[in-house]
Amino acid sequence: GIQVEQSPPDLILQEGANSTLRCNFSDSVNNLQWFHQNPWGQLINLFYIPSGTKQNGRLSATTVATERYSLLYISSSQTTDSGVYFCAVAFFYGGSQGNLIFGKGTKLSVKP
Amino acid sequence: DTAVSQTPKYLVTQMGNDKSIKCEQNLGHDTMYWYKQDSKKFLKIMFSYNNKELIINETVPNRFSPKSPDKAHLNLHINSLELGDSAVYFCASSQGDGPANYGYTFGSGTRLTVV
Repeated sequence: GIQVEQSPPDLILQEGANSTLRCNFSDSVNNLQWFHQNPWGQLINLFYIPSGTKQNGRLSATTVATERYSLLYISSSQTTDSGVYFCAVAFFYGGSQGNLIFGKGTKLSVKP
Repeated sequence: DTAVSQTPKYLVTQMGNDKSIKCEQNLGHDTMYWYKQDSKKFLKIMFSYNNKELIINETVPNRFSPKSPDKAHLNLHINSLELGDSAVYFCASSQGDGPANYGYTFGSGTRLTVV
């Protein structure tokens, strides 16, 4: 099956700093999502980005499908950005059920 | 609000009991899922279900049984609960099961504690 690796596993930032999170995947995908799991456990969908670049406020994401990686950029980090960031991928073909496969996450702590 | 909603949010129960977790989505999606998040935060698919078929992950014990009365609901029933079943269970839904899949939406999770 598809393997998903995220780096770094842990990241500590001072408030206001920028960061880049990386997701590598082992096979072709046509579904890639970034999620933020906040300290209360909620899984929040940040981006649906199987290819290309998207921006939403201080967050942006880029997926280079041909090279099998995606990057999540966080600019001017805030303490509310703390939590675990997950990359998840799937490959759907024909009528098959391609399930979303998660990486192990990057745990981000933003210090005031 | 359009969403995937799960109940209950917290569930504490004794070993050996049978319990159910309910999930409803009002997004009009045709595929629903159950995921389990273990103590190390790893998220893994348990089941996926759409109008056509239920896909059972082979690593899931048969004490776990999903039940879907209609395409907006996918409940999870667990028999003879064990300590190792303690985890957070997430329900999710998506539109489409082919290249037209537009991404998953997750519920807020149910934290199950077996004592």
